[in-house]
Amino acid sequence: AQKITQTQPGMFVQEKEAVTLDCTYDTSDPSYGLFWYKQPSSGEMIFLIYQGSYDQQNATEGRYSLNFQKARKSANLVISASQLGDSAMYFCAMRERAAGNKLTFGGGTRVLVKP
Amino acid sequence: NAGVMQNPRHLVRRRGQEARLRCSPMKGHSHVYWYRQLPEEGLKFMVYLQKENIIDESGMPKERFSAEFPKEGPSILRIQQVVRGDSAAYFCASSLGTPTDTQYFGPGTRLTVL
Repeated sequence: AQKITQTQPGMFVQEKEAVTLDCTYDTSDPSYGLFWYKQPSSGEMIFLIYQGSYDQQNATEGRYSLNFQKARKSANLVISASQLGDSAMYFCAMRERAAGNKLTFGGGTRVLVKP
Repeated sequence: NAGVMQNPRHLVRRRGQEARLRCSPMKGHSHVYWYRQLPEEGLKFMVYLQKENIIDESGMPKERFSAEFPKEGPSILRIQQVVRGDSAAYFCASSLGTPTDTQYFGPGTRLTVL
């Protein structure tokens, strides 16, 4: 079974609108962390936001927020007020405590922001 | 620039040659991770190292691939006798190594095997 699933291979969003990127995960470890990274066309991986499994509040970082639904095992990324520079691939990743520090990545979602 | 440094950014090798990829972690970080990204795919974990120790190499191919992180100097990912299937982007990340810390990535090395 896939540990991290991103079901949206690509999506368009209008500039200034919000967009939600889906991520579901599969783990039996009670202690885990969820990460979102952005990969623009230049290729680097940019850390966006982190959510710990025991965190009570949904994580937020500027225009990024994480909609964490633990019972549903989902950790969707919400980007508010989209900008042209948000056009990129977005990857969801998980770290399970029992598995050490390695990250397991989903297949990514490509976002294209239209002016 | 205190970020993760990788070099070279692009590397072209012919089949059978050796590839050496270098990674200098962020200042203050002593934990290094290597990931591989095939075209249009997510990153796949390869190896996790601390200074002079390999902590987890569960994602490393059994042959031709090796990694080190010496006491002094950068971490090195070495691929011997490269084949076309080794063509990929290789990313290094570093972290403090605490249970909840974040891995910060370098810009990657794009390896092309001719």
